This record gives sequence, structure tokens and C-alpha cells, in this order.
Amino acid sequence: EVVLTQSPGTLSLSPGERATLSCRASQTVNTRYLAWYQQKPGQAPRLLIYGTSSRASGIPDRFSGSGSGTDFSLTISGLEPEDSAVYYCQQYSATPLTFGQGTKVEI
Amino acid sequence: QVQLQESGPGLVKPSETLSLTCIVSGGSMSSYYWSWIRQPPGKGLEWIGYIYYSGGTNYNPSLKSRVTISVDTSKNQFSLKLSSVTAADSAVYYCARAPGYASGWSHDYWGQGILVTVSS
Repeated sequence: EVVLTQSPGTLSLSPGERATLSCRASQTVNTRYLAWYQQKPGQAPRLLIYGTSSRASGIPDRFSGSGSGTDFSLTISGLEPEDSAVYYCQQYSATPLTFGQGTKVEI
Repeated sequence: QVQLQESGPGLVKPSETLSLTCIVSGGSMSSYYWSWIRQPPGKGLEWIGYIYYSGGTNYNPSLKSRVTISVDTSKNQFSLKLSSVTAADSAVYYCARAPGYASGWSHDYWGQGILVTVSS
């Protein structure tokens, strides 16, 4: 099983700042199969990024993804108050499909 | 706009079988994979398994012995059965759609989730 370790656990930033979230895999992940989600309290996760760097439909361009091999990151440029949420990475380069444990972003 | 809606009992007794259904509206089930994902209160996400619209399945090995996912495309719905439940199976259960290889197995549409508690 591919274990995804996200860091930091919590990120506290101010509006307008840049957030960089890390997702490290226990083995190489094909960049095609790495995704990021945003989850707000009481809501289902929302797809932000797929294929490491492709934004999902309707996602603002302040969200961007990058990475390869075992190290991936999600960057949120120009934080908005509504970006307060927990962010999860997901891989399906190998079965079973797994998620990271999440990074909470506080603004 | 595709919408998914979970339904089923919110309370299940230990050792019994948890049964949930996800109704898909606003789109066809064809050519997509349909997942069940759960989230214990205050914790992270765990993939349970998926079913292809034509019936092929793939389950998380950690749950495989207890899980059955089925699909009924004529009713635009798919279902989850999880047997021999314990308190550890208490969670919010989500159904979700995955376009598959085209989107890198990401899940682009999700249901709102249903809280299932296992308790006597």
C-alpha cells in the first residue's frame, strides 16, 4: 500500500499569503494518478487538482499542483478566507487507492 | 449537473450488515467508475472500493472480505454492503464518481455523505 504523508498538519496564514502543502509518498507515484481535494466542515471533499497539476473544472487559478516521484505539493497563491479547509492528496498509482491524512489550513 | 445521493439506515447493530445505496442523477453511469469512500468522525478518508458501470469491481484489501459493491444501471444507482460491522465501521460514507484513467482516478463528483453509526 502506498502511504501518503502530508505536512504540515496545520498551516496558519493570513489572507493574501501563499500556502504550500506537501504530500510525500512511500513509493514512486505516477504523476497521472495524484490528486488533491479540499474539504470544508460538514461537506464532501471537492476535487481541486488531478494528474498532479491539472485544475478541475471551476477551480480558481490560485490553486496549483506540482511534483514527481515521491514528492508532490499543492500551492495556494493569494489565500482567501474561503480557502480555510482541510486538504487531502490521493493516489491510485498502485492499488489500493489511498489518501493522505490531511493538512488543515487556517486563515 | 451530475448529483449523487446516499441513502440507508443511519444506525446499524454490531455484527449486522451495513447497506447503502447511491442514486445518480443528471447523467449516465456509463463509462465511469463508482466509488464508496468513508470518513470516521474527525479523521481522514478511506477508499472502500469501486465498481465499473459494467460490473467489474476493485476493493480495498483491508475490507475486501466484508465488502460487496453492486450496480443497477437501469435504476441509475449502485450499492454498498459491508458485513459483520463493528464500532470501527462508524463513519460518514460517501459515494463518488471517478472518470478513471482520463482523470487519473480522481473523484470529480461526490454525494453529500451519510453518517452511519454502529451501536446496539
